[in-house]
Amino acid sequence: KAGVTQTPRYLIKTRGQQVTLSCSPISGHRSVSWYQQTPGQGLQFLFEYFSETQRNKGNFPGRFSGRQFSNSRSEMNVSTLELGDSALYLCASSPPSGGPPEQYFGPGTRLTVT
Amino acid sequence: SQELEQSPQSLIVQEGKNLTINCTSSKTLYGLYWYKQKYGEGLIFLMMLQKGGEEKSHEKITAKLDEKKQQSSLHITASQPSHAGIYLCGAAGYNTDKLIFGTGTRLQVFP
Repeated sequence: KAGVTQTPRYLIKTRGQQVTLSCSPISGHRSVSWYQQTPGQGLQFLFEYFSETQRNKGNFPGRFSGRQFSNSRSEMNVSTLELGDSALYLCASSPPSGGPPEQYFGPGTRLTVT
Repeated sequence: SQELEQSPQSLIVQEGKNLTINCTSSKTLYGLYWYKQKYGEGLIFLMMLQKGGEEKSHEKITAKLDEKKQQSSLHITASQPSHAGIYLCGAAGYNTDKLIFGTGTRLQVFP
């Protein structure tokens, strides 16, 4: 089975621009979560989607948004980029489970805002 | 809110030595995850523990969850340079896939 894929892997944007990141989960996984990783704040939860519905949201400003499609692929969007948005953005997918599921992460998208 | 504390923050060991990394939660754990990360890359799933007293192994890495489900340890036997990286513990909440992560332990293994 192919793992979680994220595109693009690297991105350089200018302050004020917007960006869209994509995540394709492992086949059969319906849940996708997004995280932001920075040296100062560590790994922080952004959002969680299940069957096209946002199930949970982290403490991030409204500039950060996401969605999930019927094939479980997910995108996240950041508008009006700020320097502080420079980070590694990771997505994870998990299969349906009766308890805490195994969650598998993609390689990440490294976003640099200049 | 739940917090995870990892110790030590950094570890430098000689190849062949055993080592242990600890993860302590401020609340009872519903699910405890261990991941490994190479710098700037994605997280590699190692194992997930759910039941008190549970122990799992993957190659030379063993993880345990204590009976009270508030502390987990990751033990590496006969460390190798390939074990180098950042080890992260994560905690799952009930009915959500959201994970709270510890600050990580940076492991270096020298020959």
